[in-house]
Amino acid sequence: QLVVTQSPSASASLGASVKLTCTVNTWHSTSAIIWYQQQPGKSPRYLMIFYSDGRHYKGDGIPDRFSVSSSGTEHYLTISTLQSEDEADYYCQTWGTGTRVFGGGTKLTVL
Amino acid sequence: EVQLAESGGGLKQPGGSLRLSCTASGFMFNTYSMNWVRQAPGKGPEWISYISSGSSTKMYADSVKGRFTVSRDNAEKSLYLQMNSLRADDTAVYYCAREAAVLGYFDYWGRGTLVTVSS
Repeated sequence: QLVVTQSPSASASLGASVKLTCTVNTWHSTSAIIWYQQQPGKSPRYLMIFYSDGRHYKGDGIPDRFSVSSSGTEHYLTISTLQSEDEADYYCQTWGTGTRVFGGGTKLTVL
Repeated sequence: EVQLAESGGGLKQPGGSLRLSCTASGFMFNTYSMNWVRQAPGKGPEWISYISSGSSTKMYADSVKGRFTVSRDNAEKSLYLQMNSLRADDTAVYYCAREAAVLGYFDYWGRGTLVTVSS
């Protein structure tokens, strides 16, 4: 069974950087991790996708402050030069046979 | 501009039925697969259903299999979710979400419609 795990919360100061972690219990060559941002009261917004071969693509209008990386079964979303509007819930997602699975999300607080 | 607008949510008693609709605009609806994703209060999103562009492939999460049915009308640029045998744990905001051209994720989401199941 595909399980995606995220730390429930993170915080960082305005202008600083933060690295959010997403762990997938099974990871294979055809996998990808997708990151979404959900600001308070809004729908989730696609941020970017990271493939196991290192390719990654951003959604429309996503600033370069957002980047992704990976190490084994751990996947990271790094947000640089934090701004107040980055305070949101961040979800990662992957897919398996006949399913798509989300992590529980990380609530990011910008101090 | 891609737009997705859900409708049809509301308050239903356990065991009841509801039909959600999603109207699409700003893209060639008949060339994209679509999904329903729900989000219970205070929880993360949960994918519940997928339908391919021509309706030949449909997939469901185990939590709704046998109770929910996805369909679409490409001429009307509309996506539907028929929800039967509703339970309290079906209470959530229901989003329609476009499947990205490279499959497996959701590149555009609607604003959602709230479904509350309660007696």
